Amino acid sequence: DVKVTQSSRYLVKRTGEKVFLECVQDMDHENMFWYRQDPGLGLRLIYFSYDVKMKEKGDIPEGYSVSREKKERFSLILESASTNQTSMYLCASSFGRYEAFFGQGTRLTVV
Amino acid sequence: EDQVTQSPEALRLQEGESSSLNCSYTVSGLRGLFWYRQDPGKGPEFLFTLYSAGEEKEKERLKATLTKKESFLHITAPKPEDSATYLCAVQAAGNQFYFGTGTSLTVIP
Repeated sequence: DVKVTQSSRYLVKRTGEKVFLECVQDMDHENMFWYRQDPGLGLRLIYFSYDVKMKEKGDIPEGYSVSREKKERFSLILESASTNQTSMYLCASSFGRYEAFFGQGTRLTVV
Repeated sequence: EDQVTQSPEALRLQEGESSSLNCSYTVSGLRGLFWYRQDPGKGPEFLFTLYSAGEEKEKERLKATLTKKESFLHITAPKPEDSATYLCAVQAAGNQFYFGTGTSLTVIP
């Protein structure tokens, strides 16, 4: 079974902190994604990566950056956390035209 | 602009009452359409992939169909454990997945 593991289920951070969300997949997938999910807005793509050290902006990249130094790991960085970044963050991976597999999600609260 | 629209937003069914969820899409170069189930506080769980118009997939009480403009998720004789949010996503030429906002299904015993 494909496994996508996010480093934390719940996080509470203070405004202005630098926040790292880590995601690891174990199926050698080329594509990895970071989404945030908010009530009524669905899943919105923040960044995705189709190869090591490659990244593409999604629909809402402002305030975020990403890092992919190894194929299995994709990190989302909040440079200076703000309260409007309180959300559920979901990592996913995929290969080619096949389905994406998701992690269990990280619920981030910024206070 | 690529778009995915799901309807209805919410659906309440009596146990055993069959119904359908709709996913309409506008995307250039559709590579695939995907259905997911999401339980509260968890990540989406993959259900089906459909690649071409006319294709159908079935799993237990669920059946997914695809036309050139929309997909349906048919739920036959649902049970309370089918209660969840059902998400539709399309994959376009750039390997990205575009998601609808989902249908929240509640099945009442």
